[in-house]
Amino acid sequence: QQPVQSPQAVILREGEDAVINCSSSKALYSVHWYRQKHGEAPVFLMILLKGGEQKGHDKISASFNEKKQQSSLYLTASQLSYSGTYFCGTSKTSYDKVIFGPGTSLSVIP
Amino acid sequence: NAGVTQTPKFQVLKTGQSMTLQCAQDMNHEYMSWYRQDPGMGLRLIHYSVGAGITDQGEVPNGYNVSRSTTEDFPLRLLSAAPSQTSVYFCASSLYSGAPSYNEQFFGPGTRLTVL
Repeated sequence: QQPVQSPQAVILREGEDAVINCSSSKALYSVHWYRQKHGEAPVFLMILLKGGEQKGHDKISASFNEKKQQSSLYLTASQLSYSGTYFCGTSKTSYDKVIFGPGTSLSVIP
Repeated sequence: NAGVTQTPKFQVLKTGQSMTLQCAQDMNHEYMSWYRQDPGMGLRLIHYSVGAGITDQGEVPNGYNVSRSTTEDFPLRLLSAAPSQTSVYFCASSLYSGAPSYNEQFFGPGTRLTVL
């Protein structure tokens, strides 16, 4: 069952912050975040596991609320290079396949 | 390392034709998967494999066949192409270690397929 992502699209000016949400109606074990630039393959950002800590590197971080079955990706002080489509993928158990959401298009403008 | 490679990059087929999309990885990854990407639909899982000789269906398996005879290769076959299969196809691989949820997936560059 595909997770739900919101918003579908967002436009930011350089330096602004954004939050992308990913939610599921099922209990989750893991949440995966990927970014895809136009015409390229998706690239891994981070994985959050049930019971694990909030992850982050540079100005991109994410949280995982197991009780609410949702995750949020935080982009702070956005840069032009952050533009792309962000996908979350979820799994219900440790050995389950990962199912991706429809994506959130993020555009950062000068 | 070449990572995950896919051939061809572009392909045009007529309805009813068959073809095989090739995928190979040189990272000794156990887990491999095929996705199709359509506008507004995200990445939808077609088939996946947790090792040589083991495959399983994903979200949208109809019209596609796979096999995994070696660790390195995971070809995707379209038996009788239909216009609804026009899409961008991505192959991905990851370490399995019994838990695909733990590992990042490395994606190939994709194959853009058009079925007329």
